Amino acid sequence: AQSVTQPDIHITVSEGASLELRCNYSYGATPYLFWYVQSPGQGLQLLLKYFSGDTLVQGIKGFEAEFKRSQSSFNLRKPSVHWSDAAEYFCAATVSGGYNKLIFGAGTRLAVHP
Amino acid sequence: DAGVIQSPRHEVTEMGQEVTLRCKPISGHNSLFWYRQTMMRGLELLIYFNNNVPIDDSGMPEDRFSAKMPNASFSTLKIQPSEPRDSAVYFCASIRGTKGNTIYFGEGSWLTVV
Repeated sequence: AQSVTQPDIHITVSEGASLELRCNYSYGATPYLFWYVQSPGQGLQLLLKYFSGDTLVQGIKGFEAEFKRSQSSFNLRKPSVHWSDAAEYFCAATVSGGYNKLIFGAGTRLAVHP
Repeated sequence: DAGVIQSPRHEVTEMGQEVTLRCKPISGHNSLFWYRQTMMRGLELLIYFNNNVPIDDSGMPEDRFSAKMPNASFSTLKIQPSEPRDSAVYFCASIRGTKGNTIYFGEGSWLTVV
């Protein structure tokens, strides 16, 4: 069955530290991959997406993600976290063709210590 | 461009009352999705429309839930009668075309049934 797994439910980092949020997918073929961020009381904002091509994709707010086919992973990274990055992060995937249906991971809640 | 617009943003209603959530997709987008977000179940797809036609409503939890899309610029999600377990955030999302494009989310309708 198609699935998206985010192994870490909660992550706490210090401001200025680097960040990596993990995402693994299980699909028959390479899906389209997304990272969304949800700030408290807000909707989902797209950070970045991977469709094809360069496996390192740049997004907004200084985030990047790397697609690794061999590991079925699409991990999100940021070299230096800001307090305003505290939010919940969702990895999502959808297969190509017909009609898009996003499957979301369970989310990773990020806390940032000053 | 205006994003996906949802109303109401917040609603508190009594058990047994009818609830109607509204969504205006981004102009030119021809697919529309309703998602529900809860702490227990995360983000779940309820139903999606393509060219105003319901394509997959397998995520609709029960007959109390119904969704319509009378035209390309408007959709409703109705719960009748509402129950406390329906308390959640309901997101509407839209996309232009299908393959390779990005889904955009509204800011959500925060429903509390007491």
